[in-house]
Formats: sequence, structure tokens, C-alpha cells
Amino acid sequence: AQKITQTQPGMFVQEKEAVTLDCTYDTSDQSYGLFWYKQPSSGEMIFLIYQGSYDEQNATEGRYSLNFQKARKSANLVISASQLGDSAMYFCAMREGGQRGGADGLTFGKGTHLIIQP
Amino acid sequence: NAGVTQTPKFHILKIGQSMTLQCTQDMNHNYMYWYRQDPGMGLKLIYYSVGAGITDKGEVPNGYNVSRSTTEDFPLRLELAAPSQTSVYFCASSYSPRRANTIYFGEGSWLTVV
Repeated sequence: AQKITQTQPGMFVQEKEAVTLDCTYDTSDQSYGLFWYKQPSSGEMIFLIYQGSYDEQNATEGRYSLNFQKARKSANLVISASQLGDSAMYFCAMREGGQRGGADGLTFGKGTHLIIQP
Repeated sequence: NAGVTQTPKFHILKIGQSMTLQCTQDMNHNYMYWYRQDPGMGLKLIYYSVGAGITDKGEVPNGYNVSRSTTEDFPLRLELAAPSQTSVYFCASSYSPRRANTIYFGEGSWLTVV
């Protein structure tokens, strides 16, 4: 089973609308972290937001927020008031505690290609 | 701030040749990682290191080797390059998992094996 599932291969959204990018995860660990990264066409990986499994409140960073539903194992990224510059690939990733204490980095989903239309 | 620096950014390699992708970070991070990203896919872990002198395999280690002689540097060696190793390679680093809410990535190295 995939550890990170992003069910939306691509999305078209009108500029200034809010966008929700879906992410579900699978882990048996109690301690884990969830990350979202943006990858524009230039290729670099840009960190957006982080949610720890013990964080009681949903994370927010400017126009980005993470809708964390622990019981449903869901960590959706919400972008408010989308802009043309938001067009990019978006990746959800997880860092598990596990036996290696999270030392072995992140597991990534396959990504969602978001296109913002004027 | 330099962050994580990878070289080269682009390279074409012939089948059977070997090369080293360089990665250095200036944030004094103990944890470092190498990922590869195939077209239309997410990143997959090749190797990682929790400190100088300590390395371990990730999900897709075959055909690669790493070393970690210093905290700053984590080079990735491709031996006997194959077309299947055509990919974008990312180096990353972080503080220990207990502290890290961010993992910093380099800008990527585009490698083509022909």
C-alpha cells in the first residue's frame, strides 16, 4: 500500500479562487510529520508547510494552511486566493518516527499538477 | 545563505561511465539525503546519512554509492551508468528528526545517461 496518496494528478483553478489539494497517508507510527512542497517548472523543491502528528492546531503559513484530520489520515493543503505564480507541482510527504526515528527522510506522494488560469 | 549546494546542475553521461554528484551544506546539519525524481513521479530515497562516517540505504540504492567523510559533504557516486539512472537528483539536509520541521533541498542535478 502506498504511504502517501495524492488522488488529483492535475487541477485547473481560476485565479483568486481557493484550492484544496488532497493528501492521505498511511502509517502505524504515533509520531510522524507531514510536509508539503511546491515544485515550479524550474525544478527546485520549495518547502511550504509542516504539521506534526501531535500538533493540535492546523498549521498555517501565509496563504497556505493544512487541513489535518488525524482520524481520517488526511492532510490536505489549502491555498487561499490563488495566484498565477501558484502554478506548479505540489507534493505531500511524510516523515515517520519508526524504528529509525525518522532518520530515513521523507516518503513522497506522486504529486498534483496545479494550473492557475487567469 | 548558500544552504544545500549541488553540482553539476546538468550532465550527460555515457552508458558504463561513472561520475560523482557533489553535495555540500553549510547549515551544520547532521542528516543528509539523496533522492531521485523520475518524470511525473515523486522523490524516492537513494541513500541517507545521520552523521559523518554513517550512511545507510534508502528505497532505491542499487547502482549508487555514497560516503560521508565530513558533516558538510555527501557525494553520490554512480558506477557503470545505465539509462535507468536518467533522472533528476536532489540532495537534502536537516537537523535531527526530533527538531526538524523542514528538510532543505538543493536545486537538483539533471542527469541523462545515453
